[in-house]
Parts: sequence; C-alpha cells; structure tokens
Amino acid sequence: IAGITQAPTSQILAAGRRMTLRCTQDMRHNAMYWYRQDLGLGLRLIHYSNTAGTTGKGEVPDGYSVSRANTDDFPLTLASAVPSQTSVYFCASSDGLDTDTQYFGPGTRLTVL
Amino acid sequence: GQNIDQPTEMTATEGAIVQINCTYQTSGFNGLFWYQQHAGEAPTFLSYNVLDGLEEKGRFSSFLSRSKGYSYLLLKELQMKDSASYLCAVKDSNYQLIWGAGTKLIIKP
Repeated sequence: IAGITQAPTSQILAAGRRMTLRCTQDMRHNAMYWYRQDLGLGLRLIHYSNTAGTTGKGEVPDGYSVSRANTDDFPLTLASAVPSQTSVYFCASSDGLDTDTQYFGPGTRLTVL
Repeated sequence: GQNIDQPTEMTATEGAIVQINCTYQTSGFNGLFWYQQHAGEAPTFLSYNVLDGLEEKGRFSSFLSRSKGYSYLLLKELQMKDSASYLCAVKDSNYQLIWGAGTKLIIKP
C-alpha cells in the first residue's frame, strides 16, 4: 500500500441498505477525514478524526457514522442509504504538522437508487 | 457564513499564462491551499500560503493578500495536461478546510 486506498471504487446501492466505505492509509498520519463531492459544490466535510480513538462531526454528518479504532483505518458507514447520499466520497489524511496538508484517496463513487 | 468564491470555468491557450482568482470570507484564517483535480481523480496538493505574498513553485505560483481575503493561482507555459479543476480551500479558526467549488480550466491548442 502506498498512500491512501479506498474501497469500493464504485457502488450502486438500493435505498434503505447499509453500506460501509473503507479507507486505509499507510503514512502514519494522525488525522483523517471524509468528504463528499457533488457537482457544482465544494468538498464538504462529513466527519473527521484528529487521532485514533477520537472522531468529530463536520459540515454534513447526518446519516453517516465513523469509527477510528487504529491509526490506519477510518471507515464511513451509511446506516440506511437515501438517494441524496449519491455522491463521490473522498477520504483524506494529514500529519497535523507544519502546513497540515491533506492527501486524498482515489474516491468512491456511490449511487443510491 | 463562510464562503469561498472562484470562477466556475476558464479557457486558455496552450503556452499562455492564466490567473485563477479566489476570494474568501471565513471565520478565522490559518492558511490557504490550492489543489488540482483532474476529471474522475482525487484532488492533489499544489500550494500553501499563510503569509502575504507570492509563493513560486516551477510553472505554478500562488499569491495571498490576507487583508483583502484574496488569492490567485498563476499557471505559466500552459500545457494540455493542465486541463483540470483547481480548488481553493481556506483553513478556518477551527483548523477545518472550507472549500470553493473549483474552477474548471480548459486548455485549447
């Protein structure tokens, strides 16, 4: 693994189903983030984690949950998917030092029907 | 509220220079980032400004004026591979990134 990986790459999901998007980083970064990106809008923060064992809510947390059991993994769960959650989801991480630049995974394209 | 404004789309010619502007109104300021995002791909880091002035990195330069809430990204000697969206983001008082919607740059031969 080099950097951040996300799985699946894409998914079509029936409304009401539960779905977990996976994110793993091997850079030993302390902070991790989940964003959604929709056409015409900027990236919007869903949830974040400043360090293993802690999580926080971003701008659009409703309908999503996260956990951070260790440094490397930061899964995002949709408990009961709705069509408005159709989006591209990006996971990112940062080292929390200096500029604290965020580095992004390749994204998951999710369609909820 | 917090707001980041960028032009939606710009067109430029291969070999030319283009300036992409970004204005912001945020609760606090802890740095401004520019990212490049090719279609269907993840954003990748280009530059970071926290002090006023110009930061130059090869063909790309980024300028910041904190008093004016303004930044620009300058791309010189444009290449076809520079066709992408350019995202401006500001780190606010909570150290969270607030993102603009991005500027789609189209390069014509």
